[in-house]
Amino acid sequence: QITLKESGPTLVKPTQTLTLTCTFSGFSLSTSGVGVGWIRQPPGKALEWLALIYWNDDKRYSPSLKSRLTITKDTSKNQVVLTMTNMDPVDTATYYCAHSPSTTGFDYWGQGTLVTVSS
Amino acid sequence: QSVLTQPPSASGTPGQRVTISCSGSSSNIGSNYVYWYQQLPGTAPKLLIYRNNQRPSGVPDRFSGSKSGTSASLAISGLRSEDEADYYCAAWDDSLSGHWVFGGGTKLTVL
Repeated sequence: QITLKESGPTLVKPTQTLTLTCTFSGFSLSTSGVGVGWIRQPPGKALEWLALIYWNDDKRYSPSLKSRLTITKDTSKNQVVLTMTNMDPVDTATYYCAHSPSTTGFDYWGQGTLVTVSS
Repeated sequence: QSVLTQPPSASGTPGQRVTISCSGSSSNIGSNYVYWYQQLPGTAPKLLIYRNNQRPSGVPDRFSGSKSGTSASLAISGLRSEDEADYYCAAWDDSLSGHWVFGGGTKLTVL
């Protein structure tokens, strides 16, 4: 049974760096073809893909946010960490992590964590 | 605005068949699989269709997907009240080193 759960601060100040952790179970990020991605959703708005890390440490980022994002994995802890620098109120959103096997999209999602950016 | 274009809303009555369109380009839908997600109010998205027209285990066969050229569609037949949700299409985009793109979402209302 695959599960994922996001954790991190619920409130950050403008210009601060956000660090979110995705802790998962039921699969290994050392298995060929497996990836974990981050997707966010501002209140009342659409989904926006942020980043993805694969079993082989290949990393992909949203072109519009690439300069602000870093994704890493800790295979031994079953965790994926996303950092986003220079946070702004427009970054207020629910942040989801999701399991992404090759060519199957995002088949398992965490419950999401709401991050509010405000001074 | 989103890279993939969806109508913001759709509606139907119980039992009807509704379709939701998703338009992209040669770098995404035109050359890669399309995925559809259902998001019920207050919940995380759920994978509904993968690889254009495949249903994950547990997804009713009332849901079907198709793709032609740079466009795709999600069809829901035998509409039920519990189908009222937001629906998103997604695809891998080969440009700029590769990245996922999502549609802007379609809110389906069951009248």
